[in-house]
Amino acid sequence: AQSVTQPDIHITVSEGASLELRCNYSYGATPYLFWYVQSPGQGLQLLLKYFSGDTLVQGIKGFEAEFKRSQSSFNLRKPSVHWSDAAEYFCAVAFSGAGSYQLTFGKGTKLSVIP
Amino acid sequence: GAGVSQSPSNKVTEKGKDVELRCDPISGHTALYWYRQRLGQGLEFLIYFQGNSAPDKSGLPSDRFSAERTGESVSTLTIQRTQQEDSAVYLCASSDYDQPQHFGDGTRLSIL
Repeated sequence: AQSVTQPDIHITVSEGASLELRCNYSYGATPYLFWYVQSPGQGLQLLLKYFSGDTLVQGIKGFEAEFKRSQSSFNLRKPSVHWSDAAEYFCAVAFSGAGSYQLTFGKGTKLSVIP
Repeated sequence: GAGVSQSPSNKVTEKGKDVELRCDPISGHTALYWYRQRLGQGLEFLIYFQGNSAPDKSGLPSDRFSAERTGESVSTLTIQRTQQEDSAVYLCASSDYDQPQHFGDGTRLSIL
């Protein structure tokens, strides 16, 4: 069965430090890949997506992610974290189309930012 | 409005009562999704509507859960005879065909 793994449940970084959030998936083919962010009491906001083409994708709020087929990974990065980035981050994959209802989510990584 | 709207934002009810959750999708979005998010968990798919096609109900956890959608507009998720394990945030999302999903802020359901 398809699955998405976010190995880090909780990460704490200092403001201004770099950030990398890990995401691995298991599936035989290349999926459609997404990162969403959820602030407390709010829904999910799409940060970025990968469908095809350049494996390094840029998103909103200064985030980027790199798809590595050999590692089945789609890690999220930001060179300098801001206090407002504190939130929960979810990696998601769709295996049969970009708008597919069969989005599978990881369990999320909670990011705390130290001022 | 510009985004997906869900109501109520919070709902507290007693075990055994029925609840109805509402979702207003983004205008023009043909697809609508319901998810459940339990504390500390990712999102669990519940049900999917696409246009006038029959919905995919494969994610509904029991027959106490049902959902309806009128055309390409509002959807309601109904939970009958609520149980404590139904406590969660229920998220609705909508999308245009083959485009990423846009989420509402959710309904936080607490069963006493």
